[in-house]
Amino acid sequence: AQSVAQPEDQVNVAEGNPLTVKCTYSVSGNPYLFWYVQYPNRGLQFLLKYITGDNLVKGSYGFEAEFNKSQTSFHLKKPSALVSDSALYFCAVFHSGNTPLVFGKGTRLSVIA
Amino acid sequence: DTAVSQTPKYLVTQMGNDKSIKCEQNLGHDTMYWYKQDSKKFLKIMFSYNNKELIINETVPNRFSPKSPDKAHLNLHINSLELGDSAVYFCASSHTGANGGAFFGQGTRLTVV
Repeated sequence: AQSVAQPEDQVNVAEGNPLTVKCTYSVSGNPYLFWYVQYPNRGLQFLLKYITGDNLVKGSYGFEAEFNKSQTSFHLKKPSALVSDSALYFCAVFHSGNTPLVFGKGTRLSVIA
Repeated sequence: DTAVSQTPKYLVTQMGNDKSIKCEQNLGHDTMYWYKQDSKKFLKIMFSYNNKELIINETVPNRFSPKSPDKAHLNLHINSLELGDSAVYFCASSHTGANGGAFFGQGTRLTVV
C-alpha cells in the first residue's frame, strides 16, 4: 500500500530564509505526489503535484518541490519564507484509478518575523 | 463559483442525535470522498464514491452512512452521535484519470457535547 511520511511535526523558520518541509514516500510503481496547505479554519488547498517529467515542480505562492527517486523523497521548498506561509502542510500520494489520496500526518510551518 | 461546497460549516449537537452534512461539487467530477480530520490533524479517508457507487469504505462505524443521490452530491449522515465523532469532516472530489488531484471543501467542524 502506498504511504507518505512527514518526519517533522513542526518547522520554524525566520522570515526571508529558505524553508524546506520534508516528505518521503513508499509506493509500488510510479508515484503521483502532491502537496496541500491548510490555513487555520480553512480547507485544503492544492499547492503542486508531481506526475512525471522534470524533478523540480513549481507550484502556487512561490513553492516548489523536488522529486528524488533514489531517496524516495518529495520535499517542499521555498527560497524566501513569508509570515503568511505559516500553515499546516500535507504531503499526499495517489496510486491509480479513483483511489483516494493518502496523506501524511502534516507538518506545521511557523514563519517568524 | 466552481467549487466543492459543504454545509453546514459548523455543527454542534448533543450525544445520541442524528445529523447530516451535505456536499456538492460543480466541477463535473465523477468521484467524491469524505475525509475525517481528527484533533491531531490526521486526515483519513472514510468513503469514496465513483459515479454514485461506493468504492471505498474504510473501517468506519456503520453509524456513518454516505448517500450519493447523483454524481454531484455526496452527503454524510451520522446516527447516534458520540463524543469521539467530534472532528472536522472534509468532502473532496476528483476526476478519474486526472492523476489524483482532488479539490476539497472548506470542512465541517462537528462538535458533539
